[in-house]
Amino acid sequence: EAEVAQSPRYKITEKSQAVAFWCDPISGHATLYWYRQILGQGPELLVQFQDESVVDDSQLPKDRFSAERLKGVDSTLKIQPAELGDSAMYLCASSLAVAVPLNEQFFGPGTRLTVL
Amino acid sequence: RKEVEQDPGPFNVPEGATVAFNCTYSNSASQSFFWYRQDCRKEPKLLMSVYSSGNEDGRFTAQLNRASQYISLLIRDSKLSDSATYLCVPHGGPPGDKLIFGTGTRLQVFP
Repeated sequence: EAEVAQSPRYKITEKSQAVAFWCDPISGHATLYWYRQILGQGPELLVQFQDESVVDDSQLPKDRFSAERLKGVDSTLKIQPAELGDSAMYLCASSLAVAVPLNEQFFGPGTRLTVL
Repeated sequence: RKEVEQDPGPFNVPEGATVAFNCTYSNSASQSFFWYRQDCRKEPKLLMSVYSSGNEDGRFTAQLNRASQYISLLIRDSKLSDSATYLCVPHGGPPGDKLIFGTGTRLQVFP
């Protein structure tokens, strides 16, 4: 069964350091999403790609966060510098398309970030 | 009003019980809806999609009331393995068609 791959699974860093997360979506999925999930809350969309283009990054803190999907396949999310409040689970998801009914999103296992 | 509202629970029910979760959403443009299940410290997994008035899959039934902007999930004959958090997720509609996740309802099934 095809899955969304993410690495690393866990990351511990000190504040002010840079961190990067990687995601490889399900083959053929044009749409890729990065979410942040704080404990006790639902996932919050950070950025959405359609192929290599950003569709929505309205909730991405652009002063410290960046995301890219250069060839429209895998993607990297970077935080620089990390702050204590960035501790969360970072989830990547992919879907065939944004349009109903093909927009069911499939999630990777996530990267759990702890900032000390 | 929040975009998605769910009763956080927890709902503590015995095995074999029937339990229902409710969810209200604010965006009347939402055309499709999803219920995701999330185990503790794991990723959300798609449980059910709802594109019309409802959907049924085994012990799970979702009902959609567009007029009231309300969606429910019914679980019959609860199993211990049903213990998880259930996330209500309306499709956000244009322009980005993003999914809007609720905070989830926690279910604990006990023997």
